[in-house]
Amino acid sequence: DAKTTQPTSMDCAEGRAANLPCNHSTISGNEYVYWYRQIHSQGPQYIIHGLKNNETNEMASLIITEDRKSSTLILPHATLRDTAVYYCIVRVPGAGNNRKLIWGLGTSLAVNP
Amino acid sequence: DGGITQSPKYLFRKEGQNVTLSCEQNLNHDAMYWYRQDPGQGLRLIYYSQIVNDFQKGDIAEGYSVSREKKESFPLTVTSAQKNPTAFYLCASSLDKSGGYTFGSGTRLTVV
Repeated sequence: DAKTTQPTSMDCAEGRAANLPCNHSTISGNEYVYWYRQIHSQGPQYIIHGLKNNETNEMASLIITEDRKSSTLILPHATLRDTAVYYCIVRVPGAGNNRKLIWGLGTSLAVNP
Repeated sequence: DGGITQSPKYLFRKEGQNVTLSCEQNLNHDAMYWYRQDPGQGLRLIYYSQIVNDFQKGDIAEGYSVSREKKESFPLTVTSAQKNPTAFYLCASSLDKSGGYTFGSGTRLTVV
């Protein structure tokens, strides 16, 4: 499975959009991009995933570049409760592939009042 | 509401003792996983199970054991052979074909 690269930390003002980038230049054609976030001392929470097209749900939007080598998670109106570590991972759906998942250190997002 | 329950939230163990961490899900998910998280490191896969009565070693299985006798349950035993067991342990599940994982709230194990 492909490895991802994310900035170590980011800051965002409350009420503004938070744009979290992720590079996955070695992604293969059948690998999806997934985003999770982890609030301190809790389990990671699924946010969104996508293959090629941009995706939006009640939590966030996912923008994937045309060459699929990078993506951006957008939190449209960040709140203090969005302060967390955000993980970008790539994988092929299906349990048999999961042992090769690589969870990096993610991006620590601080939303400031 | 459906979800994954891990218990206990905090666990203290004396050196040389085995300890079992509980993980139960009522999501009817096929696959279940155990991860370990250490400060400053990403999640590392210990064991995973795709179906009942079957499980596979992950990247750091040494010193751990699991069982999957029921679809809902995937307990993890940290044995005395695990040299550095103090960590945050996370259980997760997923549908076999879907993408998203559902995680439990974690168990923080401390060896004293």
